[in-house]
Amino acid sequence: EAGVVQSPRYKIIEKKQPVAFWCNPISGHNTLYWYRQNLGQGPELLIRYENEEAVDDSQLPKDRFSAERLKGVDSTLKIQPAELGDSAVYLCASSSGTGDHQETQYFGPGTRLLVL
Amino acid sequence: DQQVKQNSPSLSVQEGRISILNCDYTNSMFDYFLWYKKYPAEGPTFLISISSIKDKNEDGRFTVFLNKSAKHLSLHIVPSQPGDSAVYFCAAICLQAGGTSYGKLTFGQGTILTVHP
Repeated sequence: EAGVVQSPRYKIIEKKQPVAFWCNPISGHNTLYWYRQNLGQGPELLIRYENEEAVDDSQLPKDRFSAERLKGVDSTLKIQPAELGDSAVYLCASSSGTGDHQETQYFGPGTRLLVL
Repeated sequence: DQQVKQNSPSLSVQEGRISILNCDYTNSMFDYFLWYKKYPAEGPTFLISISSIKDKNEDGRFTVFLNKSAKHLSLHIVPSQPGDSAVYFCAAICLQAGGTSYGKLTFGQGTILTVHP
């Protein structure tokens, strides 16, 4: 069974440029998550989708970040414009259930973003 | 507001000995706890979990202990192997509907485990 797929693995951009990350979850997983992990810290949730609905985006900086999961499968996270402080690893995760069964999340390898 | 804390940034252990990684939490609404392992340039990998109705869960060389009254959990690895060297993250979630913590997995800062041959 294929795991969570993310691309690109690495991205270097100049500040004020846009950037987008793509995630394909494990087949059949209804719940998809985007996390940001800063150096020396644990992952922090940005947004959670159940199918195509964003059910928790309270931590997403909506002035510059946006996300979509149009068909309830793969998802895109966008930053426009990027700032120096956005340099981090962006992780995508998925889980098989909704409601009470989303406790075990499976992570992709992440996209390491460097903003210069 | 760090709701899940791993106060030891690093731990060094000899091969064959026991590794004990600790985690404390402050939110009493958390009712499910997980440990993830992370190698460089990879995403976190699920290792073991425990529900708040239990105080121990064992899977091979890995055992997680939960002390709800102290809001403390620990991961024991015995015997430790060099391949266990990685960053270990403790995470917690509230599975009961209602409240701001519902459904949100909160991670600690991680502990770097090094197992020496």
